Amino acid sequence: QQPVQSPQAVILREGEDAVINCSSSKALYSVHWYRQKHGEAPVFLMILLKGGEQKGHEKISASFNEKKQQSSLYLTASQLSYSGTYFCGTPRNSGNTPLVFGKGTRLSVIA
Amino acid sequence: NAGVTQTPKFQVLKTGQSMTLQCAQDMNHNSMYWYRQDPGMGLRLIYYSASEGTTDKGEVPNGYNVSRLNKREFSLRLESAAPSQTSVYFCASSEPGEYEQFFGPGTRLTVL
Repeated sequence: QQPVQSPQAVILREGEDAVINCSSSKALYSVHWYRQKHGEAPVFLMILLKGGEQKGHEKISASFNEKKQQSSLYLTASQLSYSGTYFCGTPRNSGNTPLVFGKGTRLSVIA
Repeated sequence: NAGVTQTPKFQVLKTGQSMTLQCAQDMNHNSMYWYRQDPGMGLRLIYYSASEGTTDKGEVPNGYNVSRLNKREFSLRLESAAPSQTSVYFCASSEPGEYEQFFGPGTRLTVL
């Protein structure tokens, strides 16, 4: 079951904040976030696990609500470099199973 | 380290032609994946290989075959290309489980 992302697209001015949501109709074991710049490959941002553990390289804030089966990515004081399409991915099933990705949220940051 | 490499970068095929997309990784990862990306559809998994010697179908396997040649290499074959297979194809690798995936640069395939 593909996770649902919202909004589909958002335009921000530099310095503004944005929230990208990812929700699932089934139980979530973890949520993975990736960013893809135009014409490039997706790049890993972070993984949120049940119990609150987070793994990631970027200074990006995110939350994971297991009861509501959703995750939110918080982009604060946005910079031009934040522009791109953000994807969330959730495991097909529990354990070591491949991810199912949402359709993406296109974020455009303008000066 | 080159990471994940894919060849070719671009390819144009005629309907009915066959081709193989190549993918290699030098990170000693056990798991490898093939995705296709179409506008507005996100990344859809075609096939994956959890470890050397195993392959499994993803969400959209029809019209494709894969081979996990060794731990480093995972190829995707289109036996008889169709216009519906026009897409950007990404290969990725990772350790199994809750670990980040590393993506290759992609192959842009057009089937006429």
